[in-house]
Amino acid sequence: AQSVAQPEDQVNVAEGNPLTVKCTYSVSGNPYLFWYVQYPNRGLQFLLKYITGDNLVKGSYGFEAEFNKSQTSFHLKKPSALVSDSALYFCAVRDGYSSASKIIFGSGTRLSIRP
Amino acid sequence: EAEVAQSPRYKITEKSQAVAFWCDPISGHATLYWYRQILGQGPELLVQFQDESVVDDSQLPKDRFSAERLKGVDSTLKIQPAELGDSAMYLCASSLSRGPAGAFFGQGTRLTVV
Repeated sequence: AQSVAQPEDQVNVAEGNPLTVKCTYSVSGNPYLFWYVQYPNRGLQFLLKYITGDNLVKGSYGFEAEFNKSQTSFHLKKPSALVSDSALYFCAVRDGYSSASKIIFGSGTRLSIRP
Repeated sequence: EAEVAQSPRYKITEKSQAVAFWCDPISGHATLYWYRQILGQGPELLVQFQDESVVDDSQLPKDRFSAERLKGVDSTLKIQPAELGDSAMYLCASSLSRGPAGAFFGQGTRLTVV
């Protein structure tokens, strides 16, 4: 069965500094990977996805993610953090191409950006 | 922009009462998911539909939870009777069935059982 691990419960970064939120995955076939952001009392918003091709994926709000097959990682990055980036971030993996494939989420990482 | 609609946004119910949540997915999305999210944790898949059929309900507590998607469009998730431990955010999401598509989420229903 597929799984996703987010090893850090919280990441603290000063505004203007680069940020990284870590994610590792386990899936039997080709991984389809996603990052979502969640603000208080809201649903999850899609940030970006990796399907195939270029290992660096660009997404919304200046975020990007780097896929590393050998390390089974999909870390979320941003060159310069904003206070408004403070939120809960989830990594997710889809375990296949069919209609029966499931989307499984990590436990989340709380990102806190200090002014 | 197309959205997943959920109602109600907030629900407070007493222990042992019945409660129901409604979801209308993005038009054309055949796959519909119900997730439960306990505060501070990641979403946990409860049930997944492909059109009107259940694809996966292995994590659904079937003694008290039920879900249906009768015409393959909107869906209802019911809890009867509600327990204190059911307090959580219930998220509905939809996606295209095939291919590496991600899921699009509604705003969720925050359930508090008292």
